[in-house]
Amino acid sequence: DAGVTQSPTHLIKTRGQHVTLRCSPISGHKSVSWYQQVLGQGPQFIFQYYEKEERGRGNFPDRFSARQFPNYSSELNVNALLLGDSALYLCASSLNAVGYTFGSGTRLTVV
Amino acid sequence: DQQVKQNSPSLSVQEGRISILNCDYTNSMFDYFLWYKKYPAEGPTFLISISSIKDKNEDGRFTVFLNKSAKHLSLHIVPSQPGDSAVYFCAARPTSGTYKYIFGTGTRLKVLA
Repeated sequence: DAGVTQSPTHLIKTRGQHVTLRCSPISGHKSVSWYQQVLGQGPQFIFQYYEKEERGRGNFPDRFSARQFPNYSSELNVNALLLGDSALYLCASSLNAVGYTFGSGTRLTVV
Repeated sequence: DQQVKQNSPSLSVQEGRISILNCDYTNSMFDYFLWYKKYPAEGPTFLISISSIKDKNEDGRFTVFLNKSAKHLSLHIVPSQPGDSAVYFCAARPTSGTYKYIFGTGTRLKVLA
């Protein structure tokens, strides 16, 4: 069975650009969450979506947005990239909101 | 404001011995606590969880203990194996919303052969 898949695995962008990260949850999982992990820190919650609706948002600026599609896949969009946005972006899916399964992440580097 | 804290950034243990990883939290409004393991270039992998109404949960070599009065939880790995070498994160789920976890900063465990 395929786990949570994220694309791309690595990405380099320039300050001020926009980026779109993609996530496909485990089959049957309707909940998708996004986390940002900066080097040396634990993952920080960005968004959660369930059945295409935003159920929660972390303390991130409006430059961060996301959506969930009818097939439960999800996109995370970040506008006007800053150097500080460089991080590992993790997508996680869950059946029951306990014990999320994480993907391997997208490593974003902003130069 | 770090609500979930892992004060030991690293831990080294001899193979076959017990590994004890600790986590403290400052907010009583959590209903679930979880431990995740992370290898380099991979996402965190769920290990074990415990409900706030329990004080112990065991799964094979892994046992999590919860001390609510001390706002402290620990993960015991017995016996430790070299393959357990990874970064371990504890996480807590607020009762106010089941939609997010708050993670600690992680403890890097190295099991020496």
